[in-house]
Order: sequence, then structure tokens, then C-alpha cells
Amino acid sequence: DSGVTQTPKHLITATGQRVTLRCSPRSGDLSVYWYQQSLDQGLQFLIQYYNGEERAKGNILERFSAQQFPDLHSELNLSSLELGDSALYFCASSVDATSTDTQYFGPGTRLTVL
Amino acid sequence: DAKTTQPTSMDCAEGRAANLPCNHSTISGNEYVYWYRQIHSQGPQYIIHGLKNNETNEMASLIITEDRKSSTLILPHATLRDTAVYYCIVRFFGGATNKLIFGTGTLLAVQP
Repeated sequence: DSGVTQTPKHLITATGQRVTLRCSPRSGDLSVYWYQQSLDQGLQFLIQYYNGEERAKGNILERFSAQQFPDLHSELNLSSLELGDSALYFCASSVDATSTDTQYFGPGTRLTVL
Repeated sequence: DAKTTQPTSMDCAEGRAANLPCNHSTISGNEYVYWYRQIHSQGPQYIIHGLKNNETNEMASLIITEDRKSSTLILPHATLRDTAVYYCIVRFFGGATNKLIFGTGTLLAVQP
């Protein structure tokens, strides 16, 4: 158990819909990272937040957005969903954004878009 | 971040040491070598990391060559539960983000 929690575990929805994925980092961690893992693209970095502020963006679509709240939990919002958005979404957390620290991953949310 | 090259797959007999190689010939002086593994569709699990010295923890050992252009992850006594995809990642520190760039990894199959 990494100490990172993600909800829900599974999500099944239809095209065009909007969903919210939630992540609670390990106690004391200030940085949250979101990754997407699809069959054809592998594990890809989406976005990072540090202490409530966006720190870095990766291959994140404009239909996707995220935020980190004052209690440091984070949400990833996916809208206008397409079939190709079906994937595993992982959240990771670490203590500090710029030190040589380690990211610990949550169990993931499996999103299926029908 | 430097690119890494790993074999697509490897087999190992249960109880034997598993040696997973990684080539990172373009690594620079302030880049670390990190290893993660992913068992089935679970979240990636941190294993070990190093800069230039060999490192050992309760899970594995990391051997980095003197020129730092390659490394080997060693699982001393592989078990069936070690069957997973192993990712070798080179990370630069000092920038604004510590994002991880995953390659395709090595699928290690531990055979009974």
C-alpha cells in the first residue's frame, strides 16, 4: 500500500459525458501527478500540481483539467469523453517538486467510455 | 530527459537472480536512474534509484557502470510475484518538475 488513494476504482460512462477522478496523496506530500495509461500510448504524464498550483503540463488534452485543493487532494476532470479516453488513470504523490524525492503511485481508476 | 533502452521481455527461473539491463548512453551528470515496476494493471511501484554509486535496498540492487551509460537492476531471488513490467527511467533534477517519462519497459516473467 503506497498511501495514495484514488476513487473510484472503476468508472463506466458514455461518450460525451463528464467524469471526475479523485486522488488523495500520502500524508505530508505536497506534489500530485496525474498519468494516463492506455494500450496504445503506454504510461504518459498528464499534469502536476504542487501545493495547490499547477507546476507542469504534459500530454493533457484541452478537454481535461485538474486542480489541487487546500487539503492537497486533487481531482482530474475529463469532459466530452471519447472512446479513446478509455484508460487507466494513475495519481502519484511526492514530498517536494524539486528535490530528489520519489513518486508513489495510487492503485488507479479504470475508465471505460462506451 | 535521457532516453533508455530495455529488452522487451526476459524470463527468469524462480529462486534465481533476475538481472534486468538498461542502456542510457546519453545520460548527463545530474540525471538519476530510477526503476519502477508495474504488476499487471496495478499502480507503478518504486524499486530503487541511484546517481553513480551502486545501491541496495530490501527489494533489489542497482549496479551503475562507471561511465553511467548503462545499469542493471538485480532481484536476488526472484519469486512468481516479481512477474511484472520493469521500467528504467532517467530523471533530471533541478528543473521545475519531477515528472516521470516511462518507456515500454521489460516484461519479466518468473517461471516456476
